[in-house]
Amino acid sequence: ETGVTQSPTHLIKTRGQQVTLRCSSQSGHNTVSWYQQALGQGPQFIFQYYREEENGRGNFPPRFSGLQFPNYSSELNVNALELDDSALYLCASSLVILAGEQETQYFGPGTRLLVL
Amino acid sequence: GQQVMQIPQYQHVQEGEDFTTYCNSSTTLSNIQWYKQRPGGHPVFLIQLVKSGEVKKQKRLTFQFGEAKKNSSLHITATQTTDVGTYFCAGYFRTDSWGKLQFGAGTQVVVTP
Repeated sequence: ETGVTQSPTHLIKTRGQQVTLRCSSQSGHNTVSWYQQALGQGPQFIFQYYREEENGRGNFPPRFSGLQFPNYSSELNVNALELDDSALYLCASSLVILAGEQETQYFGPGTRLLVL
Repeated sequence: GQQVMQIPQYQHVQEGEDFTTYCNSSTTLSNIQWYKQRPGGHPVFLIQLVKSGEVKKQKRLTFQFGEAKKNSSLHITATQTTDVGTYFCAGYFRTDSWGKLQFGAGTQVVVTP
């Protein structure tokens, strides 16, 4: 167990709806990264939050947004859901001392989102 | 943009045999990380390689980082049924103030007893 938790574990939404996914980072970690993993593919980087600010983003549209709270937990929000958003959403926490320095990321169990 | 390619996509191995999975990046990496994901599970960190030409071993697993820091390999000897899963390499690309972890598509390993 990594100490990273995510909720909910599973979620079913319909196209056009909005969804919020939550992540609690491992104790002592200050950075949370979010990934989307479609079936049979590797995780794709969505964005990273460090010190409550987004400091890196992958190739995802603005309808993917997030927050990081003072306790370093994080939310991923997706608006106007599309069928292709169906995937496993993973968060990973890490301790970053210097911005840009990659430390080991510990993944949570993920949230499986199905968009109908 | 940066791309990380991984081959083979699938690997069927007889228990006791060895196999290797390879990872190639389109650009130079700051470091490379390897993860294992069991069916229905989440990626679990295995190792990180930082230095050019670095070689690290974990029991039956040997990880290498190329001299140019653009490729890497994972070699497993005497495969066991517990090695079943998908192995991902992930290259870390660093920009001025932040970095991004780019995963390969993974090598799915099936072990035949």
